[in-house]
Amino acid sequence: DAGVIQSPRHEVTEMGQEVTLRCKPISGHNSLFWYRQTMMRGLELLIYFNNNVPIDDSGMPEDRFSAKMPNASFSTLKIQPSEPRDSAVYFCASSLDRVPGYTFGSGTRLTVV
Amino acid sequence: AQSVTQLGSHVSVSEGALVLLRCNYSSSVPPYLFWYVQYPNQGLQLLLKYTSAATLVKGINGFEAEFKKSETSFHLTKPSAHMSDAAEYFCAVSDPLFSGGYNKLIFGAGTRLAVHP
Repeated sequence: DAGVIQSPRHEVTEMGQEVTLRCKPISGHNSLFWYRQTMMRGLELLIYFNNNVPIDDSGMPEDRFSAKMPNASFSTLKIQPSEPRDSAVYFCASSLDRVPGYTFGSGTRLTVV
Repeated sequence: AQSVTQLGSHVSVSEGALVLLRCNYSSSVPPYLFWYVQYPNQGLQLLLKYTSAATLVKGINGFEAEFKKSETSFHLTKPSAHMSDAAEYFCAVSDPLFSGGYNKLIFGAGTRLAVHP
């Protein structure tokens, strides 16, 4: 199994631009999580999908952030417009219902200048 | 509500010395507990997990952790540190009853382990 695959690994963009981060979960996993990691705030859960349906988006910081999961093998996290304070590492993780623990992707390091 | 406290944001040990990373949890039900490791510029990798079987759990790379209900602790240890153990370590807790409807992990703030020659 290739694990959770995220793309791109690094993204540098200018303030105001749209950014799209992508995630392919492990085949067969039916839960998907988006996290953001910063030095100041640590790991923050942004949104959780179960069977492609958003269940908990209470961690999404504001309307500039949106996430979709059109099918079981693909999810996107979009930021529009991006701001310098969005600079962070964004992780995607997947799991199987009732199986403890997640598998994380390698993350996307986003820098907004 | 569940929470995790990791004592010490930075721990430094000599190569060959004992590694002890502390984790205390708060949970209204017997929890599942996890340790994850994050190497520089990488994602989080599962080291070990406790899911209500044996209280002493062995993980990868020679690490182990012991669940102590009376102390609400799940400290991570390794008898002899190696340079390659330098990384950030996260303790996490989840509720086996999946309250809220899903497999939610609550992470601690992390402990950065430095290993010096």
